[in-house]
Amino acid sequence: DTGVSQNPRHKITKRGQNVTFRCDPISEHNRLYWYRQTLGQGPEFLTYFQNEAQLEKSRLLSDRFSAERPKGSFSTLEIQRTEQGDSAMYLCASSLSREQYFGPGTRLTVT
Amino acid sequence: GEDVEQSLFLSVREGDSSVINCTYTDSSSTYLYWYKQEPGAGLQLLTYIFSNMDMKQDQRLTVLLNKKDKHLSLRIADTQTGDSAIYFCAAGGSYIPTFGRGTSLIVHP
Repeated sequence: DTGVSQNPRHKITKRGQNVTFRCDPISEHNRLYWYRQTLGQGPEFLTYFQNEAQLEKSRLLSDRFSAERPKGSFSTLEIQRTEQGDSAMYLCASSLSREQYFGPGTRLTVT
Repeated sequence: GEDVEQSLFLSVREGDSSVINCTYTDSSSTYLYWYKQEPGAGLQLLTYIFSNMDMKQDQRLTVLLNKKDKHLSLRIADTQTGDSAIYFCAAGGSYIPTFGRGTSLIVHP
C-alpha cells in the first residue's frame, strides 16, 4: 500500500513530556500538511511543507510545536511540554496538486 | 477567513438518497471538496468541484454547487449501510482548505 502512513497510531503521555510523531507521505507528493482534529470538529490546519520548505504555519502552532521535513520526504511533528489541551488526533496529508490524501492519524492523549 | 457550515446529523433509510448540505462564506474559494471519515480513520477524498462548475457526477455521488448562494451539496444515491460515516465539506482558494465540522450520516435498515 502506498498511502500516507503515520506513526505511532496512538500515544499516551503525561503532561509536561515531549512527544514526536512521524508522517510518511505518498512518495511522489511534494506537499505535506499537518492538521489537528478534536472530537466533533473538522481538521484544523497546523502547518504545510512544499518539499523541505515550511511555507505556512497556523497561529494554532504555538512555540511548543515544531515540524520538520528534512529531505522533502517524511516529516516529524514534535510537541514539547505537552498540555492536556494538546489531546487530539493529529492528521498528516500529502498532495501533488489540490487533492489531499490523508493518513490514519496519531491519537494523542495527555494525562 | 473562510467559514464552512454543515448540519451535524442526517439519518436516512437504506436505499434512499442522502443529501448533505454545506455553506461557505468566501466567494473567492475556487476548490470545494467532500471527504468521508469512518471511525478511527483519516479522511478519504470523495470528490471535488471547481468553482466554475455547477455539477459533478461520479457513480453514486452528485455534487451541486450554487456559487451565488455559496452552497454546496453532496447527494448519495441508493445509500447503503457502508455509507455511514462523517462527511466533511471543505472550501479554499489556496492549497489549504477550511473544513466544516462534519455531518454524521446514519443509515438504518
